[in-house]
Amino acid sequence: EPEVTQTPSHQVTQMGQEVILRCVPISNHLYFYWYRQILGQKVEFLVSFYNNEISEKSEIFDDQFSVERPDGSNFTLKIRSTKLEDSAMYFCASSEEVGAKNIQYFGAGTRLSVL
Amino acid sequence: AQSVTQLGSHVSVSEGALVLLRCNYSSSVPPYLFWYVQYPNQGLQLLLKYTTGATLVKGINGFEAEFKKSETSFHLTKPSAHMSDAAEYFCAVMEYGNKLVFGAGTILRVKS
Repeated sequence: EPEVTQTPSHQVTQMGQEVILRCVPISNHLYFYWYRQILGQKVEFLVSFYNNEISEKSEIFDDQFSVERPDGSNFTLKIRSTKLEDSAMYFCASSEEVGAKNIQYFGAGTRLSVL
Repeated sequence: AQSVTQLGSHVSVSEGALVLLRCNYSSSVPPYLFWYVQYPNQGLQLLLKYTTGATLVKGINGFEAEFKKSETSFHLTKPSAHMSDAAEYFCAVMEYGNKLVFGAGTILRVKS
């Protein structure tokens, strides 16, 4: 069964460093998403991406964050200068369609620890 | 903005007993509703979804949920719990623009 793959599973970084979280969405999917879950809190939407453009972003997704689809398979989330409060589990998701037929398939997540 | 409330952060049932996980949502328009399950060290897996039509929705692993507009609820049930059902369950509503808004999650424990 096709699945969304995220690497690494755990990333440890120093505050102020740049990190790139990587995701390989399901191959025929066109819509991509990033969510995050801070320990003990809800899963929160960060950004959606379609046709090489951001479709929607939350207020969390400030100038420190960026997304990119550098090639035909990868979808990345970059945090330019990490803060302690960026420590969270980051989930990538993809879907084939939107609207009523939108089913988002999630990866296993990358746990980001900012020290 | 739409929101989701899951009553009970932890639910414990005996093996073979009924599973009932509660979810209430707020929405000014007919919502799309979802239940996801997360097993340890795995991603969120879709259990079932409601968009339109029949209000009783059947999902994988014997789970079902009923959309009740008058109660703004979408509770998840399973007639007989199995040890393998132990996981964290998330209710979610889809907003315009296709982003999911999640509840806080309910951890289901199944006792033998």
